[in-house]
Amino acid sequence: ETGVTQTPRHLVMGMTNKKSLKCEQHLGHNAMYWYKQSAKKPLELMFVYNFKEQTENNSVPSRFSPECPNSSHLFLHLHTLQPEDSALYLCASSQDGGTGAGEQYFGPGTRLTVT
Amino acid sequence: EDQVTQSPEALRLQEGESSSLNCSYTVSGLRGLFWYRQDPGKGPEFLFTLYSAGEEKEKERLKATLTKKESFLHITAPKPEDSATYLCAVQSIYNQGGKLIFGQGTELSVKP
Repeated sequence: ETGVTQTPRHLVMGMTNKKSLKCEQHLGHNAMYWYKQSAKKPLELMFVYNFKEQTENNSVPSRFSPECPNSSHLFLHLHTLQPEDSALYLCASSQDGGTGAGEQYFGPGTRLTVT
Repeated sequence: EDQVTQSPEALRLQEGESSSLNCSYTVSGLRGLFWYRQDPGKGPEFLFTLYSAGEEKEKERLKATLTKKESFLHITAPKPEDSATYLCAVQSIYNQGGKLIFGQGTELSVKP
């Protein structure tokens, strides 16, 4: 257990569905991240939140919508996804998401399949 | 452009056969280089952070070293439970958001 939990662990959705991924960290960190991990590709950073403020959007399509209500919770709202969006979505947290950022701790991920 | 390349892509070892994994990087001002271990179906597990050339860190059978252009993860007398994908990532001092740039990973398999 890393102190970062994600739900659901597995999700199958159709292209017209709307669903949300949830992440919670119990480490007292101030920064949270969403990553996408596709087969045979490096982890891709999607969004960064530092003290609840979004500090980075790595050119992610608008069908992915993040929400960070507080420093412990992070959501990723999904709508009208494409089959190529099928991947492992990982949440991470770190003590600081600014210039002093250090190691990030990852959750177990949500395996998303878009049909 | 910041970039990380890991080699080999896959490595098969016999139990007890020591070896090294390579992580070559280019970054505009290194804040830190990170090693992670990832088991199938799980999230990456943090192993080490290295900050400057010449630094070394150890944990059980793993030892990470850093130069100005690359990092090595040395595995001494590996066991089957060391089988996993090992990921390397760098963080730039010029990035405000804690962004990590990851390599593709090295998939390690240790046979008994």
